[in-house]
Amino acid sequence: ELKVEQNPLFLSMQEEKNYTIYCNYSTTSDRLYWYRQDPGKSLESLFVLLSNGAVKQEGRLMASLDTKARLSTLHITAAVHDLSATYFCAVDPIQGAQKLVFGQGTRLTINP
Amino acid sequence: DADVTQTPRNRITKTGKRIMLECSQTKGHDRMYWYRQDPGLGLRLIYYSFDVKDINKGEISDGYSVSRQAQAKFSLSLESAIPNQTALYFCATSDQGWETQYFGPGTRLLVL
Repeated sequence: ELKVEQNPLFLSMQEEKNYTIYCNYSTTSDRLYWYRQDPGKSLESLFVLLSNGAVKQEGRLMASLDTKARLSTLHITAAVHDLSATYFCAVDPIQGAQKLVFGQGTRLTINP
Repeated sequence: DADVTQTPRNRITKTGKRIMLECSQTKGHDRMYWYRQDPGLGLRLIYYSFDVKDINKGEISDGYSVSRQAQAKFSLSLESAIPNQTALYFCATSDQGWETQYFGPGTRLLVL
């Protein structure tokens, strides 16, 4: 059974600081997705990572995938308040099946 | 207009009642999914459908049923609601096997 674990689950940080959210998963997969959820809202797609070594960047967020280590990271550079949200990673355990297994989510709060 | 819509957005019901949550999409995607979100648990897959003749159980299908009435419509039913089905329910759609999923706004369900 695939397990997806994120850490930390809660993160409070100051603006302009850098930090990383980690997503570990328990079985082989080369498809990993990152989503953002604002309070009371739906999930918004951030990144799709489809191969070992994949790196995607959008603004202050950068995601990477290491399939050998079964690890993805979401790095936040020079955080700003607008990035406050809950971030989820999700893994597709069977190529193309898209039966996504989600992590618990990381609630990120960025303080002025 | 939103690409993925869900009705109702909020619902309060009593134990033992049958209820239906509906999802419609205008993205033209073949694949549709139902998830539930509980605090601290991320999202868990209930059912998914890859076309109108294809219905598959997800991780937590017990107590739920679905109907794919058309490519654009996918309904989730709780035959006899129970309090531990209180949750936030999301519908999602996707196109090809590797693409991201697009989520609806969610239905908040309270079972008394």
